[in-house]
Amino acid sequence: AQTVTQSQPEMSVQEAETVTLSCTYDTSENNYYLFWYKQPPSRQMILVIRQEAYKQQNATENRFSVNFQKAAKSFSLKISDSQLGDTAMYFCAFMKNSGGYQKVTFGTGTKLQVIP
Amino acid sequence: DSGVTQTPKHLITATGQRVTLRCSPRSGDLSVYWYQQSLDQGLQFLIQYYNGEERAKGNILERFSAQQFPDLHSELNLSSLELGDSALYFCASSVASDSGGPSDTQYFGPGTRLTVL
Repeated sequence: AQTVTQSQPEMSVQEAETVTLSCTYDTSENNYYLFWYKQPPSRQMILVIRQEAYKQQNATENRFSVNFQKAAKSFSLKISDSQLGDTAMYFCAFMKNSGGYQKVTFGTGTKLQVIP
Repeated sequence: DSGVTQTPKHLITATGQRVTLRCSPRSGDLSVYWYQQSLDQGLQFLIQYYNGEERAKGNILERFSAQQFPDLHSELNLSSLELGDSALYFCASSVASDSGGPSDTQYFGPGTRLTVL
C-alpha cells in the first residue's frame, strides 16, 4: 500500500517570501502521479500542481513549482512570492491508475500561514 | 469553479437518521469518487464509480452506500447516522480512462458539510 508523509504540520512565511513544503511517499510502483491540493478556509479542495512520474522535468504553475526526486520518493512544493491568499492547508497526494481503477492517497496536510 | 457540483452544502440531522448527498461530475467525466474529511483530518477515500459501476472501495462503512446513475450523477447514502459521521463529504470526478494519463486528475466539488446531533 502506498503511504504519503507530510512531516511539517504547520509552517509560516512572510508575504513575498519563498516557502517549501515537504512530501515523501512510499511505493513500489513505477508509473504514478503526484499532486498538491490546496484547501483554503472555505474548505474547497483546489488542484495546485500535478507531476507525472515518468517525466523528469519538474512541473511549474506560475508561482508554484515542485522538486520531484523519484529515486528519493520526494515531492516538495515551492511557493514563490507568497501571497496572503496562499494561506491554506496543503495536501500532497499520490495516485496510481490501473486499468481505470484509481486510488488516491493523501498526506495529512501542512497548514501554511502567510504573514503580512 | 471546478465544474463539480454537490448538494446540499450543509446538512444537519439527528443520530439514527438517513441522508442522501448528491454529486454531479464535470461534463465529460465518467468517474466519481467520494471522500470523507473529518475535522482537522486528511481525506479518506470511500468509493469510486465509473460509468455507473462500482470500481473501487476504500474505508466505507456498511451503513454507507453509493450509486451512479445513467446521467452520471452520483448519490452517497448514509444511514443509521452516528455523531462520528459528522464530517465534510467531498465528491471528485475525472475522466478515468482505462489507459491512464493526465486526464485522470481528480477535480473536487465544494463539499457537503454534515452535522449529526
